[in-house]
Amino acid sequence: DAKTTQPTSMDCAEGRAANLPCNHSTISGNEYVYWYRQIHSQGPQYIIHGLKNNETNEMASLIITEDRKSSTLILPHATLRDTAVYYCISCYTGRRALTFGSGTRLQVQP
Amino acid sequence: EPEVTQTPSHQVTQMGQEVILRCVPISNHLYFYWYRQILGQKVEFLVSFYNNEISEKSEIFDDQFSVERPDGSNFTLKIRSTKLEDSAMYFCASSDPDRDGDEQFFGPGTRLTVL
Repeated sequence: DAKTTQPTSMDCAEGRAANLPCNHSTISGNEYVYWYRQIHSQGPQYIIHGLKNNETNEMASLIITEDRKSSTLILPHATLRDTAVYYCISCYTGRRALTFGSGTRLQVQP
Repeated sequence: EPEVTQTPSHQVTQMGQEVILRCVPISNHLYFYWYRQILGQKVEFLVSFYNNEISEKSEIFDDQFSVERPDGSNFTLKIRSTKLEDSAMYFCASSDPDRDGDEQFFGPGTRLTVL
């Protein structure tokens, strides 16, 4: 699985969009990009995943660059409950072992 | 909405004792996983289980660990002789092979404290 790099922490104002970047410059053609988050000490929670195309679901949008070397997770209207550590993970399939890095600690400010 | 459940929420044990952590995965899921997170550190993969056998395991998952699906609903992690460094949050997860995303659904965790 390709290594991913994320900023250690970010702040976002409540109600504004939170844009969380992830670098995965060594990703191979059939590796997916998955995003999970962990709120406090709870179990990680799946957010979204993608291969090449941009994706959107009820939680977030995922923008993947054309060269697939980086991606951005967008929370369109961040709330205080979105304060969490966000993990960007690249893998061939979500069924295999997920390798969690240190992630980005997002603090949503009131 | 169905969810993964884990019991107990907190387990305290003495070093050298055996512990069994229990998980009830989502009912139609066929892949099961255990992860752990030592306080302040990353979430680490331990093992995955499919079709009644281990499909993948990490270096952490040594002979002290074992997993079992004793019936149609439970998935357990046994640590035979606990060490102080086994103190961590243990998360169970499951996934449904029929879902496009193969995303893993995590339980709330069991906090294991080894004294």
